Amino acid sequence: GAGVSQSPRYKVAKRGQDVALRCDPISGHVSLFWYQQALGQGPEFLTYFQNEAQLDKSGLPSDRFFAERPEGSVSTLKIQRTQQEDSAVYLCASSLREGDQPQHFGDGTRLSIL
Amino acid sequence: DQQVKQNSPSLSVQEGRISILNCDYTNSMFDYFLWYKKYPAEGPTFLISISSIKDKNEDGRFTVFLNKSAKHLSLHIVPSQPGDSAVYFCAASAGGGAQKLVFGQGTRLTINP
Repeated sequence: GAGVSQSPRYKVAKRGQDVALRCDPISGHVSLFWYQQALGQGPEFLTYFQNEAQLDKSGLPSDRFFAERPEGSVSTLKIQRTQQEDSAVYLCASSLREGDQPQHFGDGTRLSIL
Repeated sequence: DQQVKQNSPSLSVQEGRISILNCDYTNSMFDYFLWYKKYPAEGPTFLISISSIKDKNEDGRFTVFLNKSAKHLSLHIVPSQPGDSAVYFCAASAGGGAQKLVFGQGTRLTINP
């Protein structure tokens, strides 16, 4: 595709529910990143994939957060047993090769936990 | 600890004048710096970048300056236009394969007609 595509754009869930957020990177991009952006803050790194391999998950805030990219293209970020503090915008970014900058961002998924 | 800081949450500039956005960092391992622009309900859009081997990079109306000894960079926009009104994020990355970005908190720039 022309750009990074994320779905859904908005998600409302009740506390305790599981959610899944999807990212479709730019076609052919090897590197894929997930970031979390709280209100009034800059994005914060969650995890990084090179093709299907998850090489860095140091930013995932708890074991309730899980990400996968099984075929090296589309990625899913899953949050289990959601809490109110999970409310944020989740941004996905991709770049063509390992170490390439800039990263190209999608428009994000705004997650609201009630 | 906040490794990248943008100490001005907001900035208001007259159309046609120069806008200067500032960013400070603490991690001496950072070797590449980027500025992103963000409109409401959209993702960050890349604007301009600079490697630590340079002290200036220019692209049209946008210039980024890097002062490594002070661990400070700035983005100059001249002349400022109403469409420049947005939130601007400074970001940094350290060498290595992952190249994850560390962002500042952002500065909201408003250009007044």
